[in-house]
Amino acid sequence: GAGVSQSPSNKVTEKGKDVELRCDPISGHTALYWYRQRLGQGLEFLIYFQGNSAPDKSGLPSDRFSAERTGESVSTLTIQRTQQEDSAVYLCASSPTDRGPGNTIYFGEGSWLTVV
Amino acid sequence: DQQVKQNSPSLSVQEGRISILNCDYTNSMFDYFLWYKKYPAEGPTFLISISSIKDKNEDGRFTVFLNKSAKHLSLHIVPSQPGDSAVYFCAARKRGNQFYFGTGTSLTVIP
Repeated sequence: GAGVSQSPSNKVTEKGKDVELRCDPISGHTALYWYRQRLGQGLEFLIYFQGNSAPDKSGLPSDRFSAERTGESVSTLTIQRTQQEDSAVYLCASSPTDRGPGNTIYFGEGSWLTVV
Repeated sequence: DQQVKQNSPSLSVQEGRISILNCDYTNSMFDYFLWYKKYPAEGPTFLISISSIKDKNEDGRFTVFLNKSAKHLSLHIVPSQPGDSAVYFCAARKRGNQFYFGTGTSLTVIP
């Protein structure tokens, strides 16, 4: 597709339920990122996939969070047993293979999660 | 550990004046710096970037300055327009394609 696509765009869930958020990166982009922005706060890194390398999971806030990526395409971020503090916009981004100067990162519109 | 810092959470500027947004970083391994703009209910969009080998990059009303010795970069917008009102994020890339973002500065341009 033309840009990074995320679904659902909005999700309201009850505390304790599991949620899955999906990201379709820009075609051909080997790097995929998940970030989170809670109300009034900055962009918080969650996880990074680069090609076939082991993902960098250092930003995942707890073991309730996990993410997978199918090859160099779709990624799913799963939050188990959601808590109210998980309410945030979850942003997916991708960037191309080229790691040289001029590379940049492109964001989707985000998935707005509200845990009630 | 916040490696990219934006110490001003908000900034208000009169239309037509210059907006200066600041960003500091701690890691000397960063080789590429970017600014993103974010409107409410939208994802961040790329605005302008600069390589660590340069000290200035200009694109229309937007100019980014990099001071490597001070580990500081700034975004200048001149003249500022009401449509520039948004949250601006500074980002830095470390070799290997990992990006680090600041906490954002909310710019309000007053008509």
